[in-house]
Amino acid sequence: AQTVTQSQPEMSVQEAETVTLSCTYDTSENNYYLFWYKQPPSRQMILVIRQEAYKQQNATENRFSVNFQKAAKSFSLKISDSQLGDTAMYFCALNYGGATNKLIFGTGTLLAVQP
Amino acid sequence: EPEVTQTPSHQVTQMGQEVILRCVPISNHLYFYWYRQILGQKVEFLVSFYNNEISEKSEIFDDQFSVERPDGSNFTLKIRSTKLEDSAMYFCASSVDGPQVGEKLFFGSGTQLSVL
Repeated sequence: AQTVTQSQPEMSVQEAETVTLSCTYDTSENNYYLFWYKQPPSRQMILVIRQEAYKQQNATENRFSVNFQKAAKSFSLKISDSQLGDTAMYFCALNYGGATNKLIFGTGTLLAVQP
Repeated sequence: EPEVTQTPSHQVTQMGQEVILRCVPISNHLYFYWYRQILGQKVEFLVSFYNNEISEKSEIFDDQFSVERPDGSNFTLKIRSTKLEDSAMYFCASSVDGPQVGEKLFFGSGTQLSVL
């Protein structure tokens, strides 16, 4: 079965500090994609960053980067220089490739950036 | 940036009534999806739609659910006879290509459905 687990329901970080959100997943597929989506109070889900499983290099998007550990099936999100606008629910998601186009989501981590 | 638009933002209905949730995907997108999130639970896949037909559906998407793209711009989710357990936030999404090739989904802001 394909699963995504986020073990941190809530986290808090001071503005300008760095925070890491955890995600583990399980899949028997070799080719898959991992995503982090952000859901601010506006409720719209926005893609933050994505990683292709066959790429060893960790993805980076400005202040956002991932630590992708394929053997450990871990996909954590690091937010550097946290800003108040980063306050949101963050969802880790997996697409395990092949013929499926559905995303499997984790339960989310609510991040609060404190001034 | 273009947006996926969902209406209404909040829908209240009586158990057993039919509801239609509406979505306007981004105009050049080819894949369309519905997801839902019951309060405090995971975001769950319901259905994907491509080339005017359902390409994939989950076990949640039973005979009470249907989707339609009636006019080339709107994408609707119909629940024929609502149940209390259908109360959830329903998200519409669209994409140029599918996430099986790493494609990004654009989500709407959701419709909160409350079944009384």
